[in-house]
Amino acid sequence: DSGVTQTPKHLITATGQRVTLRCSPRSGDLSVYWYQQSLDQGLQFLIQYYNGEERAKGNILERFSAQQFPDLHSELNLSSLELGDSALYFCASSVDQGPYEQYFGPGTRLTVT
Amino acid sequence: AQSVTQLGSHVSVSEGALVLLRCNYSSSVPPYLFWYVQYPNQGLQLLLKYTSAATLVKGINGFEAEFKKSETSFHLTKPSAHMSDAAEYFCAVISFGNEKLTFGTGTRLTIIP
Repeated sequence: DSGVTQTPKHLITATGQRVTLRCSPRSGDLSVYWYQQSLDQGLQFLIQYYNGEERAKGNILERFSAQQFPDLHSELNLSSLELGDSALYFCASSVDQGPYEQYFGPGTRLTVT
Repeated sequence: AQSVTQLGSHVSVSEGALVLLRCNYSSSVPPYLFWYVQYPNQGLQLLLKYTSAATLVKGINGFEAEFKKSETSFHLTKPSAHMSDAAEYFCAVISFGNEKLTFGTGTRLTIIP
């Protein structure tokens, strides 16, 4: 158990819908990262937050957005969903900014039908 | 830019045999390197990390990796494979100023009884 929690574990929804994925980092960790894992793209970095502020952006679509709240939990919002958005979405956390090890949650498996 | 290349998307070894999973990196600045393991339907678990303190890094579950700057490699080894080692293994790199994990494409390790 990494200490990072993600909900829900599974999500099945239809094209065009909007979903919210939730992540709680390890106690004391200030940085939160979101990654997408799919068969064709592998593991891709989406976005990073540090202590409530956006720190870095990766291959995140404009239909996707995220935020980190004062209690440091984070949410990833995916809208206008397409079949190709079906993937595993991981949240990870690290103690600070910088090249520290990241601890991953169990992931949310999103299926868009 | 930083990247990692994992040679061999599938590796099979007999139980008790040496495990060798290959990873080569590319980074314009000193890299921080990681190996993660992913068991079926689970998140990523950190096996070990290289952060320039020592070139031979020992991790969990009997795994170790050696950083070789001259070869830009960070191969993962385990002297004696166990059935429980069957999983997918990812090499990843971070550098200062670019704190997202950049992952390789992964190597699926199969253990033959």
